[in-house]
Amino acid sequence: ETGVTQSPTHLIKTRGQQVTLRCSSQSGHNTVSWYQQALGQGPQFIFQYYREEENGRGNFPPRFSGLQFPNYSSELNVNALELDDSALYLCASSLDGFAKNIQYFGAGTRLSVL
Amino acid sequence: AQSVTQLGSHVSVSEGALVLLRCNYSSSVPPYLFWYVQYPNQGLQLLLKYTTGATLVKGINGFEAEFKKSETSFHLTKPSAHMSDAAEYFCAVSEPGNYQLIWGAGTKLIIKP
Repeated sequence: ETGVTQSPTHLIKTRGQQVTLRCSSQSGHNTVSWYQQALGQGPQFIFQYYREEENGRGNFPPRFSGLQFPNYSSELNVNALELDDSALYLCASSLDGFAKNIQYFGAGTRLSVL
Repeated sequence: AQSVTQLGSHVSVSEGALVLLRCNYSSSVPPYLFWYVQYPNQGLQLLLKYTTGATLVKGINGFEAEFKKSETSFHLTKPSAHMSDAAEYFCAVSEPGNYQLIWGAGTKLIIKP
């Protein structure tokens, strides 16, 4: 059984650019959640995708968007990057979307916005 | 609104000593509670969770936590610290039926030789 993988591991962008982060979910999982973890803080929920539909969203602006594909892999897109978007972005996969189900995390993508 | 408070951004204990990491939550209904661990340059890994049933929950690596509804707490303990326990620990909460985890700010556990 393969784990959750994220790419790229590190990324440097400049303010105003756009970025796409990718996540492959664990085999058999149909749900992907995305989190932003700023330095020294806990993860903040961005949104969750369940069977290719957005299942819920945290307090993030519309320039944060996502997709989930038929194989349940997922992308996080961020437009018009701001300096405060610099963070570790974590993807987690689980079964059926409910929080009681264990979420399996990837190692994250560290995004630096200059 | 749900929230999670972890007391102490850093906790330092000697190898072999008791580990106690504190987590308090606020929730309008009995929540689901989780502890995750994050090692440097790695993703988060579930240590243990409470959903229903027995309030003392045993997890991996010798950790356990007790759900105390009256104190709205879910503190994490380990009887004897090991150097390999050095990591950052996060407490998280969710309401039953919800999809979203609310996270604490984390506690970095430092083990002194």
